[in-house]
Amino acid sequence: GAGVSQSPSNKVTEKGKDVELRCDPISGHTALYWYRQSLGQGLEFLIYFQGNSAPDKSGLPSDRFSAERTGGSVSTLTIQRTQQEDSAVYLCASSLTRTGGVYGYTFGSGTRLTVV
Amino acid sequence: AQSVTQLDSQVPVFEEAPVELRCNYSSSVSVYLFWYVQYPNQGLQLLLKYLSGSTLVKGINGFEAEFNKSQTSFHLRKPSVHISDTAEYFCAVSENSGAGSYQLTFGKGTKLSVIP
Repeated sequence: GAGVSQSPSNKVTEKGKDVELRCDPISGHTALYWYRQSLGQGLEFLIYFQGNSAPDKSGLPSDRFSAERTGGSVSTLTIQRTQQEDSAVYLCASSLTRTGGVYGYTFGSGTRLTVV
Repeated sequence: AQSVTQLDSQVPVFEEAPVELRCNYSSSVSVYLFWYVQYPNQGLQLLLKYLSGSTLVKGINGFEAEFNKSQTSFHLRKPSVHISDTAEYFCAVSENSGAGSYQLTFGKGTKLSVIP
């Protein structure tokens, strides 16, 4: 597609429920990133996928968080047993190659998650 | 590991006045530097980046930034702001590790409010 697409744009869930957030990167972009944006905290790196390589999961805050990328394209971020501290905007980004840190990423509009 | 400090969380400025948003970074190796802008309810958009060469970098919407290695700074400037510049601005850094740099580390953001 023309840009990075994220869905849903807003999600309200009850504490303890599982949620799935979806990211559809720009066609042909091999690298995909998930970040979490909490109020006043900037952007926190969560996970990075590059082609068929093993993902860099070093930023996932707990084992309740997981992500997968199917067919080198669409990615799903899953949060199990959601907690109120999981409330944030979850941003997905993609880049043409693994050198996104050189040329910059293209971001989606994010999913605003509210846990009540 | 690299880190980024944005010294001001909020900057109010009158329309048509100049503005400077400050960013300092820390890294043990050479870096690439970026400024992103986030308009309300949108993802992040790349404003400009410094990779190498001239330390003065010009970006979109009339913004520019200057890389100062000795002061480890990358301040963003605009000589005359418009109402439409009201947004949150993020400074980001990645390390020139030679193996392909993919991860951006972001500051906590500076909210620029342009007052009519």
